[in-house]
Amino acid sequence: LAKTTQPISMDSYEGQEVNITCSHNNIATNDYITWYQQFPSQGPRFIIQGYKTKVTNEVASLFIPADRKSSTLSLPRVSLSDTAVYYCLVGADTGRRALTFGSGTRLQVQP
Amino acid sequence: GAGVSQSPRYKVAKRGQDVALRCDPISGHVSLFWYQQALGQGPEFLTYFQNEAQLDKSGLPSDRFFAERPEGSVSTLKIQRTQQEDSAVYLCASRTQGLGMNTEAFFGQGTRLTVV
Repeated sequence: LAKTTQPISMDSYEGQEVNITCSHNNIATNDYITWYQQFPSQGPRFIIQGYKTKVTNEVASLFIPADRKSSTLSLPRVSLSDTAVYYCLVGADTGRRALTFGSGTRLQVQP
Repeated sequence: GAGVSQSPRYKVAKRGQDVALRCDPISGHVSLFWYQQALGQGPEFLTYFQNEAQLDKSGLPSDRFFAERPEGSVSTLKIQRTQQEDSAVYLCASRTQGLGMNTEAFFGQGTRLTVV
């Protein structure tokens, strides 16, 4: 399983752009990169997924360099409601490998 | 329902008691996962089903833990002779069986188990 490394915590202020970088040096050819968000007392929620280059949706952008050994989740103009834990997952489609969580990054957004 | 439903939301068990946690996945979802999440930690994999087949149970911490999904839909996680270290949130997730690309997993709100 590809191991991921991400910062334990980050602080930001409302309206700022937040970038959370995840390292995954031994990512495999078939692996996708997926980010989940988790609020207290809730299950994780899918944010975005990509394989290479850049992916953007209504919530976030995901930047993946050519070597795919890292990825950056970008949250534009965060609000207080973006305070949560963000998990970077790396895995292929089959079975449990698709959903192996690390410790995540705890993002605290201040007013 | 529209999402993954777990029951009960909260369970307090006396040490040594058996408990059963239920997961209703999204209708038609082939894959079902169980996770254990301790306070302040990320979810830890317990077991994985594809339809009714339990394809991976390598994360179950002991033989006191047992999971089933007999008809390929509802799943039950059973913990026998509960211990204090079993106190955690138990999360269930389901997803469609993707072909060639990952598909989004949908999580329930979890069951918070407290063993006293």
